[in-house]
Amino acid sequence: GDSVTQMEGPVTLSEEAFLTINCTYTATGYPSLFWYVQYPGEGLQLLLKATKADDKGSNKGFEATYRKETTSFHLEKGSVQVSDSAVYFCALSDWGGTGNQFYFGTGTSLTVIP
Amino acid sequence: DVKVTQSSRYLVKRTGEKVFLECVQDMDHENMFWYRQDPGLGLRLIYFSYDVKMKEKGDIPEGYSVSREKKERFSLILESASTNQTSMYLCASSLFDSNQPQHFGDGTRLSIL
Repeated sequence: GDSVTQMEGPVTLSEEAFLTINCTYTATGYPSLFWYVQYPGEGLQLLLKATKADDKGSNKGFEATYRKETTSFHLEKGSVQVSDSAVYFCALSDWGGTGNQFYFGTGTSLTVIP
Repeated sequence: DVKVTQSSRYLVKRTGEKVFLECVQDMDHENMFWYRQDPGLGLRLIYFSYDVKMKEKGDIPEGYSVSREKKERFSLILESASTNQTSMYLCASSLFDSNQPQHFGDGTRLSIL
């Protein structure tokens, strides 16, 4: 079945450091891929998405490229800020037996220190 | 803009009570979902629905039921609350299209005493 594996945290970085959070997936069909961010005490917010191979999703300085050959969708940001401290979830959407189904990674906690 | 509204941010109930968590979306989405989120366990799917009056079990349906009488509303019911159901509950909705994301509410932090 489909699944998402993302790098375990927690991750601690200094402000302005480069961020990479790894995400790989297994899918039987042609999934769409997403990154979500969750701030403390809140729900998940969509950060970016990519719907086909070689697509690059980007938002708020974050980027991720849909790599079919390596089944990966790694999240990157060139210079993190304290306000980026949150939990990040990689997810995929694929057609299942009764419609589109979603699969989430376990989340990676990021703390950015000044 | 997309809006998923959960009726309570915080809720405290007692063991054995019947608990209702309500979720409303204003985007005319076909799909609605209930998850629980616990530290170290990520998001776990409880139930989902692809249409009015339709429901499907997720990964952890035991002790829960759902109701979808109208397209915009999806209710999660704890039939007889227990302390191991203390958790953060997240509602989400999406279009019936695998290219489209889920949209989440702010969550309900439920404590069962």
